[in-house]
Amino acid sequence: KAGVTQTPRYLIKTRGQQVTLSCSPISGHRSVSWYQQTPGQGLQFLFEYFSETQRNKGNFPGRFSGRQFSNSRSEMNVSTLELGDSALYLCASSLGQGANTEAFFGQGTRLTVV
Amino acid sequence: AQTVTQSQPEMSVQEAETVTLSCTYDTSESNYYLFWYKQPPSRQMILVIRQEAYKQQNATENRFSVNFQKAAKSFSLKISDSQLGDTAMYFCAFMKTGANAGNNRKLIWGLGTSLAVNP
Repeated sequence: KAGVTQTPRYLIKTRGQQVTLSCSPISGHRSVSWYQQTPGQGLQFLFEYFSETQRNKGNFPGRFSGRQFSNSRSEMNVSTLELGDSALYLCASSLGQGANTEAFFGQGTRLTVV
Repeated sequence: AQTVTQSQPEMSVQEAETVTLSCTYDTSESNYYLFWYKQPPSRQMILVIRQEAYKQQNATENRFSVNFQKAAKSFSLKISDSQLGDTAMYFCAFMKTGANAGNNRKLIWGLGTSLAVNP
């Protein structure tokens, strides 16, 4: 069974640009969550999508957005990049309902803003 | 709001020995899960062990076990017979569940403990 795939693995962008990150969940999983990981703040929840709908949202500015497609693949977009957006962005895939809470993570996208 | 605290930024242990990583959390919820995740240098977050708050019995997974003290809001991870491959960042995480949580699957994380297993 293929795992969670995040693309690209590495990205370098300039301040003010925008970026789109992609996450392909495990087949059959309908929930995709996104987390930002930085040395100072640790892991912080961005948002969760389930069956193409945003179900939960963290405390991030509106520059951070996402969407989920009918095949459960998800993208997150960050507009008007700031230096502070440099981070590892992790995507987690899960069934998203019932008692099964296990989340499976991708290897992340390392975003560097210069 | 829930918080998770890991008070040991770094730890080291000799191969084959036992090490315990600490985690405390704060919540007013009664239904929740607690997790330990491992993040090796490859960056992929891997679930090590999970504990349901309503279960009194401590979870175990092979060499990994937890000491869950619900009243004290403590959730420590014990790694027995440490191996070089256990070298990684270890994160403690909390997830609210139950009727009040609805569909909230958000994980709340500690800042992690960097564990080095020395040969």
